[in-house]
Amino acid sequence: EVQLVESGGGLVQPGRSLRLSCAASGFTFDDYAMHWVRQAPGKGLEWVSGISWNSGSIGYADSVKGRFTISRDNAKNSLYLQMNSLRAEDTALYYCAKSLKGSWWENWFDPWGQGTLVTVSS
Amino acid sequence: DIQMTQSPSSVSASVGDRVTITCRASQGISSWLAWYQQKPGKAPKLLIYAASSLQSGVPSRFSGSGSGTDFTLTISSLQPEDFATYYCQQANSFPQTFGGGTKVEIK
Repeated sequence: EVQLVESGGGLVQPGRSLRLSCAASGFTFDDYAMHWVRQAPGKGLEWVSGISWNSGSIGYADSVKGRFTISRDNAKNSLYLQMNSLRAEDTALYYCAKSLKGSWWENWFDPWGQGTLVTVSS
Repeated sequence: DIQMTQSPSSVSASVGDRVTITCRASQGISSWLAWYQQKPGKAPKLLIYAASSLQSGVPSRFSGSGSGTDFTLTISSLQPEDFATYYCQQANSFPQTFGGGTKVEIK
């Protein structure tokens, strides 16, 4: 069974940093592109960032470009999101999601983890 | 960025009803469209990808159609477990973008 388990969320002050992790199991991690998608409380879904299987292709939403960095460690079956200069508007539930087909270009997200909550507030 | 507009934003329906949700892209996206279902407190679940391909394990009462800019998700006979919020997502170009969601409520 494919499992994605996020961790690292919490309450953080504006301007500070946080690092999210996603532990993957049940599939060959280095065959698939991976993504972060967030959902602000009571709001819709927003794609944040994605990374190809070998880290050769990386993308970011404009709202986080220059502040967030995605990375992966295929030896540890893990995905990461380093979030710097956090803002109140970054408050959201952050989901880790696997690319259904593995390809960097076919970005259907399946499955998703349960999410980790990031709250940015003073 | 490609804007995705869903309608309606909410719909009230009864068990057994046929429900149709539409999604319009601000520019042509061929068949690069997915549909997700999200229940309260749960992660989204992929239902349909490539506009009309049913994801493994998803009941056949769900179907998707369309290409270009206009797409439809149809639930042929609404079941109690289908009351949820549904989102469309375009995968034609970065950044992938989602529609605002359609909440399917019990009438």
